[in-house]
Amino acid sequence: DAGVIQSPRHEVTEMGQEVTLRCKPISGHDYLFWYRQTMMRGLELLIYFNNNVPIDDSGMPEDRFSAKMPNASFSTLKIQPSEPRDSAVYFCASSSGAAAYEQYFGPGTRLTVT
Amino acid sequence: AQSVTQPDIHITVSEGASLELRCNYSYGATPYLFWYVQSPGQGLQLLLKYFSGDTLVQGIKGFEAEFKRSQSSFNLRKPSVHWSDAAEYFCAVKGGSYIPTFGRGTSLIVHP
Repeated sequence: DAGVIQSPRHEVTEMGQEVTLRCKPISGHDYLFWYRQTMMRGLELLIYFNNNVPIDDSGMPEDRFSAKMPNASFSTLKIQPSEPRDSAVYFCASSSGAAAYEQYFGPGTRLTVT
Repeated sequence: AQSVTQPDIHITVSEGASLELRCNYSYGATPYLFWYVQSPGQGLQLLLKYFSGDTLVQGIKGFEAEFKRSQSSFNLRKPSVHWSDAAEYFCAVKGGSYIPTFGRGTSLIVHP
């Protein structure tokens, strides 16, 4: 299995621009998670999906953030408009309820907003 | 509610020395417990997990962890550290919710 795939690996954008991060979970996994990691706040859960349905988005910091999962093999996290304080590493992870929920992480997208 | 604490932000050891990283959790029953490792520029990789049964669990890369219910702990150990073990280590706990809670992480520094 290729594992969780994220793209792009690095993104540099200017403040005010729209940013879209992409994730392909492991085939057969029914949970998908988006995390943000910063030095100040550590690893934060933003939102998670079960069977493509958003279950808990209480970690999404503002309305500027949105996430979708149109099918079992693809999810996006969008920031519009982006701000410098959104600079962080964004991870996607997937898991299977049948496998006791251990999560498998992608390599992350390092976002820099200037 | 579930929570996890990693008391040590940084740990420094010499190569070849033994290692123990601490993890304490809070949950009313026996939770699922995990240790992950994050190398620089990488995502988190699962080292080992505990669900039930034998309280000493073996993981990848020569790591092991012991679940101690009386101390609400799940400490990670390795008998002899290699320079390549330098990384960030995260403990996670999953109780009644569908998702695990991660600790803040412990940064391991290995001196030659």
